[in-house]
Amino acid sequence: AQSVTQLGSHVSVSEGALVLLRCNYSSSVPPYLFWYVQYPNQGLQLLLKYTTGATLVKGINGFEAEFKKSETSFHLTKPSAHMSDAAEYFCAVIVWGTYKYIFGTGTRLKVLA
Amino acid sequence: DAGVIQSPRHEVTEMGQEVTLRCKPISGHNSLFWYRQTMMRGLELLIYFNNNVPIDDSGMPEDRFSAKMPNASFSTLKIQPSEPRDSAVYFCASSPVGTGGEQYFGPGTRLTVT
Repeated sequence: AQSVTQLGSHVSVSEGALVLLRCNYSSSVPPYLFWYVQYPNQGLQLLLKYTTGATLVKGINGFEAEFKKSETSFHLTKPSAHMSDAAEYFCAVIVWGTYKYIFGTGTRLKVLA
Repeated sequence: DAGVIQSPRHEVTEMGQEVTLRCKPISGHNSLFWYRQTMMRGLELLIYFNNNVPIDDSGMPEDRFSAKMPNASFSTLKIQPSEPRDSAVYFCASSPVGTGGEQYFGPGTRLTVT
């Protein structure tokens, strides 16, 4: 069975500081991994995805994530937080052989002025 | 591209009433998903369709819930009768074939059942 675990339901960073949101996965097959962002009262928006190939994936709004098989991790980072990054972030893995996602429980990012 | 369109955006209804939520996926996308989001349970997949055919409805909570996709550009999620515990935000998402599974979400319908 596949799963994802997001460490930390709430993360606070100062504006301009590094953003690090953690996601670990469990999968017996090569995973397809995703990060989504949800702003208040909106739907989820794709930030980036990893399927195959380069393990460092760049997404929108300056975010990137690195697939580390040895650590079963897919952490999301951004070098410098902006106030507009305040949102909830979800990590997800596709269930192999289907179109279904398994979502993490989400991490709410707060950016302090 | 207009994105995934959902209507209504907000729905307030009384317990026992029928509720119908509507979704128009992005043109050309062949998979459609209905999700429910609550504080307690997070994001739950209710059902998904591929080429208008329901593939997996194991997430549909009860027989009170039903979903249809009569054509490639329209889907409905119906709750009959509605109960207060159905209060949630319902999202529709669509996905194109061959992109590694990325999904495009609509803005959601906030349902309140009193």
